[in-house]
Amino acid sequence: EAQVTQNPRYLITVTGKKLTVTCSQNMNHEYMSWYRQDPGLGLRQIYYSMNVEVTDKGDVPEGYKVSRKEKRNFPLILESPSPNQTSLYFCASRTGGVNEQYFGPGTRLTVT
Amino acid sequence: KQEVTQIPAALSVPEGENLVLNCSFTDSAIYNLQWFRQDPGKGLTSLLLIQSSQREQTSGRLNASLDKSSGRSTLYIAASQPGDSATYLCAVYSGAGSYQLTFGKGTKLSVIP
Repeated sequence: EAQVTQNPRYLITVTGKKLTVTCSQNMNHEYMSWYRQDPGLGLRQIYYSMNVEVTDKGDVPEGYKVSRKEKRNFPLILESPSPNQTSLYFCASRTGGVNEQYFGPGTRLTVT
Repeated sequence: KQEVTQIPAALSVPEGENLVLNCSFTDSAIYNLQWFRQDPGKGLTSLLLIQSSQREQTSGRLNASLDKSSGRSTLYIAASQPGDSATYLCAVYSGAGSYQLTFGKGTKLSVIP
């Protein structure tokens, strides 16, 4: 089954404790991206990757890092999480052409 | 910077009605426009993707139109059902390589039995 998976689905952590949210897709898509969704602000793009070792900032990259060492994986790293990063995070992928994006199920992160 | 607006923010209709959801964007230089559905606490499900060269797309009871020159798209839902209750999101692909995806804040639809 074609899908985008994220882990963990739910995470509660404390300020400053480094964490990684994993994202994996099994569709051989070149393009992957991360979004956060907040009430009243909607979905905003954090980072995207056009292919292995090629990444770029989205609209709200501050406080996040990403890496793309393999085509199927695109982890999101929070080096020093803060409460304002409490949010619902989505990973997505699509082919390099003009095709629709597929979204993961979401990761709900709470930073206290 | 691309901005996407969806009106109305919320809509409640009786079952069986036809309805239209609106999406507008500020920069007409888009590649594609995609409509999604999001159920509470869930991820996004793609409904329709309209490429910039297309005027509309249809899937079942759904029809999406695109007018690039005016910066508008509409999602038409025919014969609404309670199962259609969800938040509907509009998103536009823009920027070099169409890598940037900008979302509207959504329209929350409630279909009353």
